[in-house]
Amino acid sequence: AAGVIQSPRHLIKEKRETATLKCYPIPRHDTVYWYQQGPGQDPQFLISFYEKMQSDKGSIPDRFSAQQFSDYHSELNMSSLELGDSALYFCASSFVSSHEQYFGPGTRLTVT
Amino acid sequence: DAKTTQPNSMESNEEEPVHLPCNHSTISGTDYIHWYRQLPSQGPEYVIHGLTSNVNNRMASLAIAEDRKSSTLILHRATLRDAAVYYCILRDGNSGGYQKVTFGIGTKLQVIP
Repeated sequence: AAGVIQSPRHLIKEKRETATLKCYPIPRHDTVYWYQQGPGQDPQFLISFYEKMQSDKGSIPDRFSAQQFSDYHSELNMSSLELGDSALYFCASSFVSSHEQYFGPGTRLTVT
Repeated sequence: DAKTTQPNSMESNEEEPVHLPCNHSTISGTDYIHWYRQLPSQGPEYVIHGLTSNVNNRMASLAIAEDRKSSTLILHRATLRDAAVYYCILRDGNSGGYQKVTFGIGTKLQVIP
């Protein structure tokens, strides 16, 4: 079965640079979520989209923005990167009415 | 949000059953109990969920106390692949769709060969 696809899997950026992470949800899933997991920490919710509209927002810095496109893929844009942004970024998708979220393998972002 | 309390870590021998407890004394009537797990270097993975009745699926069983203030995730035969952090999470069934998963401090399960 198709899973959530994230690209790139690894990304190295320098401070103050920008980064774009991509997420391709499971086909026909209408909801996408983004999570951040710092080293040794639990995943923290950033933002979600339902049918291409922002549906919920967590502790996402103002330097970050995200959107969901007409083909349902989503992108997380991160600007003015800081060392503290180094983390694993997970995308998850689901049907809006489902209890199950399916997570991708994550993008490991390293800011140097 | 109603909170959950889990032990920080547990150990189990391979091929033995594992009972992972979760306390949620402030659970509301519309809260569903969910379990996710995260294997090393992987994204979280849905395990099971329930409301009032015990639930079984191919991965595990969920036993819910009659007063719903606690629950237990049961892995019937632990394998090395079950070594992971297990999260017990409450999600409000009345809040509509597109509800985020709020991860707390889970239980790190170590499986001993």
